[in-house]
Amino acid sequence: AQSVTQLDSQVPVFEEAPVELRCNYSSSVSVYLFWYVQYPNQGLQLLLKYLSGSTLVKGINGFEAEFNKSQTSFHLRKPSVHISDTAEYFCAVSDGFQKLVFGTGTRLLVSP
Amino acid sequence: DAGVIQSPRHEVTEMGQEVTLRCKPISGHNSLFWYRQTMMRGLELLIYFNNNVPIDDSGMPEDRFSAKMPNASFSTLKIQPSEPRDSAVYFCASSLRPSGTDTQYFGPGTRLTVL
Repeated sequence: AQSVTQLDSQVPVFEEAPVELRCNYSSSVSVYLFWYVQYPNQGLQLLLKYLSGSTLVKGINGFEAEFNKSQTSFHLRKPSVHISDTAEYFCAVSDGFQKLVFGTGTRLLVSP
Repeated sequence: DAGVIQSPRHEVTEMGQEVTLRCKPISGHNSLFWYRQTMMRGLELLIYFNNNVPIDDSGMPEDRFSAKMPNASFSTLKIQPSEPRDSAVYFCASSLRPSGTDTQYFGPGTRLTVL
């Protein structure tokens, strides 16, 4: 069975500072990894996904994530955050079938 | 494209009443998913369909929950009878292909409150 751990439930950061949101997964098979963002009172939106190839994945809104197989991690980063990045971020894993297993989410709070 | 459409956006009902949530997937998408989001349990997959056929309903919590997809452009999630512990945000999502690598596109959700 697969699982996803997002260690930080909340990450406060100042505007224009860098941020890293951590995600670790466990799986006995090859995995596909996703980051979704949920803005207040909205559905989830895909930020980026890792399927194969380069371990550094670039997504929308300046976010990127690095797949590290040896550490079973897929951390999300942004070099300079904006107030508008305030949202909840979910890491998810798939084993190739259609069921996505989501982490518990990390709330990113960007203040001026 | 209008994206995934869900109705109603908010539903308040009393315990014991029947609740029906509706979803219209993105046109041309062949897979549809129903999720439930709560503070306690996070985001859980309830059921998903491929080409209108239910594939996996192992996430449906109880027999009180049922889901149908009578055609490619419409799905319902029904709770009968509803209970306070069913209060949650219910999301519908769709994807183009029945593949674990495909992006799932989420609707805005239905916030259900059962009193």
